[in-house]
Amino acid sequence: QLHLQESGPGLVRPSETLSLTCTVSGAPISDITYFWAWIRQPPGKGLEWVGTIYYTGSTFYNPSVAPRVAMSVDTSKNQFSLNLNSLTAADTAHYFCARHIVVMAATMSYFDSWGQGAQVIVSS
Amino acid sequence: SSELTQDPAVSVALGQTVRVTCQGDSLRKFYASWYQQKPGQAPILVIYGNNHRPLGISGRFSGSNSGDTASLTITGALAEDEADYYCNSRDTTSNHYVFGGGTLVTVL
Repeated sequence: QLHLQESGPGLVRPSETLSLTCTVSGAPISDITYFWAWIRQPPGKGLEWVGTIYYTGSTFYNPSVAPRVAMSVDTSKNQFSLNLNSLTAADTAHYFCARHIVVMAATMSYFDSWGQGAQVIVSS
Repeated sequence: SSELTQDPAVSVALGQTVRVTCQGDSLRKFYASWYQQKPGQAPILVIYGNNHRPLGISGRFSGSNSGDTASLTITGALAEDEADYYCNSRDTTSNHYVFGGGTLVTVL
Protein backbone atom coordinates (compact mmCIF):
# COMPACT_ATOMS: atom_id res chain seq x y z
CA GLN A 1 0.00 0.00 0.00
CA LEU A 2 1.55 3.26 -1.15
CA HIS A 3 1.71 6.05 1.41
CA LEU A 4 3.01 9.59 1.01
CA GLN A 5 3.61 11.95 3.91
CA GLU A 6 4.54 15.62 3.68
CA SER A 7 6.64 17.31 6.34
CA GLY A 8 7.91 20.82 6.84
CA PRO A 9 7.34 24.09 8.68
CA GLY A 10 3.81 25.37 8.99
CA LEU A 11 4.84 29.02 9.17
CA VAL A 12 7.45 30.75 7.04
CA ARG A 13 8.38 34.43 6.85
CA PRO A 14 8.04 36.46 3.63
CA SER A 15 11.14 36.50 1.43
CA GLU A 16 12.43 33.29 3.05
CA THR A 17 12.65 29.79 1.57
CA LEU A 18 10.12 27.01 2.07
CA SER A 19 11.47 23.47 2.32
CA LEU A 20 9.07 20.54 2.23
CA THR A 21 9.83 16.82 2.15
CA CYS A 22 7.63 13.97 0.99
CA THR A 23 8.43 10.56 2.46
CA VAL A 24 7.23 7.66 0.34
CA SER A 25 6.52 4.21 1.75
CA GLY A 26 5.21 1.13 0.03
CA ALA A 27 7.08 1.66 -3.24
CA PRO A 28 10.63 2.59 -4.22
CA ILE A 29 10.94 6.16 -5.39
CA SER A 30 13.53 4.88 -7.89
CA ASP A 31 10.94 2.76 -9.70
CA ILE A 32 11.38 3.70 -13.36
CA THR A 33 7.61 3.62 -13.86
CA TYR A 34 6.80 6.64 -11.76
CA PHE A 35 7.31 10.36 -11.45
CA TRP A 36 6.68 12.37 -8.29
CA ALA A 37 4.90 15.71 -7.99
CA TRP A 38 4.03 18.66 -5.80
CA ILE A 39 0.60 20.27 -6.05
CA ARG A 40 -0.65 23.17 -3.96
CA GLN A 41 -4.01 24.66 -3.06
CA PRO A 42 -4.39 28.21 -1.67
CA PRO A 43 -7.12 28.62 0.93
CA GLY A 44 -10.55 28.43 -0.69
CA LYS A 45 -9.09 28.03 -4.17
CA GLY A 46 -8.36 25.29 -6.69
CA LEU A 47 -5.45 22.96 -7.29
CA GLU A 48 -2.22 24.17 -8.90
CA TRP A 49 0.50 21.84 -10.20
CA VAL A 50 3.86 23.04 -8.91
CA GLY A 51 6.31 20.57 -10.43
CA THR A 52 7.28 16.98 -11.17
CA ILE A 53 10.53 15.10 -10.66
CA TYR A 54 11.89 11.76 -11.87
CA TYR A 55 14.19 9.66 -9.71
CA THR A 56 17.11 10.63 -11.96
CA GLY A 57 16.61 14.26 -10.97
CA SER A 58 14.93 15.44 -14.17
CA THR A 59 12.36 18.10 -13.35
CA PHE A 60 9.43 19.97 -14.86
CA TYR A 61 8.17 23.12 -13.17
CA ASN A 62 5.08 25.31 -13.46
CA PRO A 63 6.21 28.48 -15.26
CA SER A 64 4.49 30.56 -12.59
CA VAL A 65 7.01 29.42 -9.96
CA ALA A 66 9.91 28.15 -12.10
CA PRO A 67 12.34 30.98 -11.24
CA ARG A 68 11.88 30.29 -7.51
CA VAL A 69 11.50 26.54 -7.25
CA ALA A 70 13.82 23.55 -7.00
CA MET A 71 12.89 19.92 -6.48
CA SER A 72 15.23 17.11 -5.52
CA VAL A 73 15.09 13.41 -4.78
CA ASP A 74 16.90 11.28 -2.20
CA THR A 75 16.58 7.65 -3.20
CA SER A 76 18.45 6.44 -0.11
CA LYS A 77 15.70 7.88 2.10
CA ASN A 78 12.87 7.29 -0.40
CA GLN A 79 12.04 10.98 -0.24
CA PHE A 80 11.65 13.91 -2.59
CA SER A 81 11.68 17.57 -1.67
CA LEU A 82 10.46 21.00 -2.68
CA ASN A 83 12.32 24.26 -2.14
CA LEU A 84 10.50 27.50 -2.92
CA ASN A 85 12.32 30.77 -2.33
CA SER A 86 11.39 34.46 -2.17
CA LEU A 87 8.09 33.62 -0.53
CA THR A 88 5.11 35.98 -0.50
CA ALA A 89 1.65 35.69 0.99
CA ALA A 90 0.50 34.30 -2.36
CA ASP A 91 2.46 31.13 -1.59
CA THR A 92 0.26 30.41 1.42
CA ALA A 93 -1.39 27.11 0.58
CA HIS A 94 -1.88 23.47 1.36
CA TYR A 95 0.98 21.60 -0.32
CA PHE A 96 0.34 18.02 -1.48
CA CYS A 97 2.86 15.51 -2.74
CA ALA A 98 1.63 12.86 -5.15
CA ARG A 99 2.75 10.01 -7.38
CA HIS A 100 2.59 11.10 -11.01
CA ILE A 101 1.94 8.52 -13.71
CA VAL A 102 3.07 9.55 -17.20
CA VAL A 103 2.53 7.00 -19.96
CA MET A 104 1.71 6.55 -23.64
CA ALA A 105 4.44 8.86 -24.87
CA ALA A 106 3.37 11.35 -22.22
CA THR A 107 -0.09 11.83 -23.70
CA MET A 108 -1.68 10.26 -20.63
CA SER A 109 -0.84 11.44 -17.14
CA TYR A 110 -2.50 11.38 -13.76
CA PHE A 111 -1.82 11.64 -10.04
CA ASP A 112 -2.87 8.32 -8.57
CA SER A 113 -1.87 8.63 -4.93
CA TRP A 114 -1.70 11.73 -2.72
CA GLY A 115 -0.39 12.66 0.69
CA GLN A 116 -2.69 14.34 3.17
CA GLY A 117 -0.96 17.65 2.58
CA ALA A 118 0.95 20.19 4.64
CA GLN A 119 -0.46 23.60 5.48
CA VAL A 120 2.03 26.40 4.85
CA ILE A 121 1.38 29.98 5.95
CA VAL A 122 3.63 32.78 4.77
CA SER A 123 3.48 35.56 7.33
CA SER A 124 5.73 37.76 9.39
CA SER B 1 0.12 27.58 -22.13
CA SER B 2 -3.29 25.95 -21.99
CA GLU B 3 -6.26 26.43 -19.74
CA LEU B 4 -8.96 24.02 -18.66
CA THR B 5 -12.37 25.57 -18.05
CA GLN B 6 -14.97 24.11 -15.70
CA ASP B 7 -18.34 25.40 -14.55
CA PRO B 8 -17.98 26.62 -10.95
CA ALA B 9 -20.97 24.69 -9.63
CA VAL B 10 -23.67 22.22 -10.60
CA SER B 11 -26.42 20.56 -8.63
CA VAL B 12 -28.13 17.19 -8.95
CA ALA B 13 -31.11 15.62 -7.28
CA LEU B 14 -30.41 12.55 -5.18
CA GLY B 15 -30.35 9.48 -7.42
CA GLN B 16 -30.19 11.44 -10.65
CA THR B 17 -27.36 11.90 -13.15
CA VAL B 18 -25.01 14.87 -13.44
CA ARG B 19 -22.32 15.70 -15.96
CA VAL B 20 -19.30 17.84 -15.14
CA THR B 21 -17.44 19.24 -18.13
CA CYS B 22 -13.87 20.42 -18.73
CA GLN B 23 -13.01 22.37 -21.86
CA GLY B 24 -9.58 23.10 -23.28
CA ASP B 25 -7.53 22.81 -26.46
CA SER B 26 -5.07 20.42 -24.82
CA LEU B 27 -7.83 17.82 -24.52
CA ARG B 28 -7.74 17.34 -28.28
CA LYS B 29 -4.29 15.80 -27.88
CA PHE B 30 -3.92 14.69 -24.25
CA TYR B 31 -6.00 12.53 -21.95
CA ALA B 32 -7.96 13.98 -19.04
CA SER B 33 -8.00 12.81 -15.45
CA TRP B 34 -10.55 13.70 -12.77
CA TYR B 35 -10.20 14.17 -9.02
CA GLN B 36 -12.76 14.31 -6.22
CA GLN B 37 -11.99 16.47 -3.20
CA LYS B 38 -14.11 16.72 -0.09
CA PRO B 39 -13.59 19.50 2.49
CA GLY B 40 -10.43 19.08 4.50
CA GLN B 41 -9.29 16.04 2.52
CA ALA B 42 -6.73 15.29 -0.16
CA PRO B 43 -8.00 14.80 -3.70
CA ILE B 44 -8.77 11.29 -4.92
CA LEU B 45 -8.33 10.11 -8.50
CA VAL B 46 -11.70 8.98 -9.89
CA ILE B 47 -11.04 8.83 -13.65
CA TYR B 48 -7.82 8.62 -15.70
CA GLY B 49 -7.14 8.32 -19.41
CA ASN B 50 -10.48 10.01 -20.17
CA ASN B 51 -12.61 7.03 -19.19
CA HIS B 52 -10.72 4.57 -16.97
CA ARG B 53 -11.79 4.03 -13.39
CA PRO B 54 -9.15 3.15 -10.75
CA LEU B 55 -9.70 0.13 -8.54
CA GLY B 56 -12.03 0.95 -5.69
CA ILE B 57 -13.85 3.79 -7.43
CA SER B 58 -17.60 3.34 -7.72
CA GLY B 59 -19.14 2.44 -11.06
CA ARG B 60 -21.34 5.52 -10.63
CA PHE B 61 -18.39 7.49 -12.02
CA SER B 62 -17.64 7.44 -15.74
CA GLY B 63 -15.69 9.66 -18.12
CA SER B 64 -15.68 10.59 -21.78
CA ASN B 65 -13.96 12.94 -24.19
CA SER B 66 -15.22 14.63 -27.35
CA GLY B 67 -12.92 17.00 -29.17
CA ASP B 68 -11.84 19.69 -26.75
CA THR B 69 -14.23 18.72 -23.95
CA ALA B 70 -13.85 16.00 -21.33
CA SER B 71 -16.77 14.98 -19.16
CA LEU B 72 -17.23 13.28 -15.83
CA THR B 73 -20.65 11.70 -15.30
CA ILE B 74 -22.07 10.63 -11.96
CA THR B 75 -24.99 8.26 -12.48
CA GLY B 76 -27.37 7.81 -9.57
CA ALA B 77 -25.73 10.47 -7.41
CA LEU B 78 -25.50 9.82 -3.68
CA ALA B 79 -25.11 12.33 -0.88
CA GLU B 80 -21.51 11.17 -0.46
CA ASP B 81 -20.72 12.33 -4.01
CA GLU B 82 -21.09 15.96 -2.96
CA ALA B 83 -17.60 17.39 -3.45
CA ASP B 84 -15.34 19.52 -5.62
CA TYR B 85 -14.25 17.87 -8.86
CA TYR B 86 -11.13 18.90 -10.79
CA CYS B 87 -9.96 17.90 -14.24
CA ASN B 88 -6.29 17.77 -15.22
CA SER B 89 -4.31 17.32 -18.40
CA ARG B 90 -0.99 18.10 -19.94
CA ASP B 91 -0.32 21.50 -21.46
CA THR B 92 -0.18 21.55 -25.26
CA THR B 93 3.13 23.35 -25.49
CA SER B 94 5.38 21.73 -22.89
CA ASN B 95 5.83 19.16 -20.13
CA HIS B 96 3.54 21.16 -17.88
CA TYR B 97 0.30 20.10 -16.30
CA VAL B 98 -2.86 22.11 -15.74
CA PHE B 99 -5.88 21.73 -13.47
CA GLY B 100 -9.29 23.08 -14.24
CA GLY B 101 -10.76 25.58 -11.79
CA GLY B 102 -12.96 22.94 -10.18
CA THR B 103 -16.69 22.27 -10.07
CA LEU B 104 -18.66 22.01 -6.84
CA VAL B 105 -21.25 19.27 -7.18
CA THR B 106 -24.16 19.66 -4.77
CA VAL B 107 -26.52 16.74 -4.23
CA LEU B 108 -30.01 18.00 -3.38
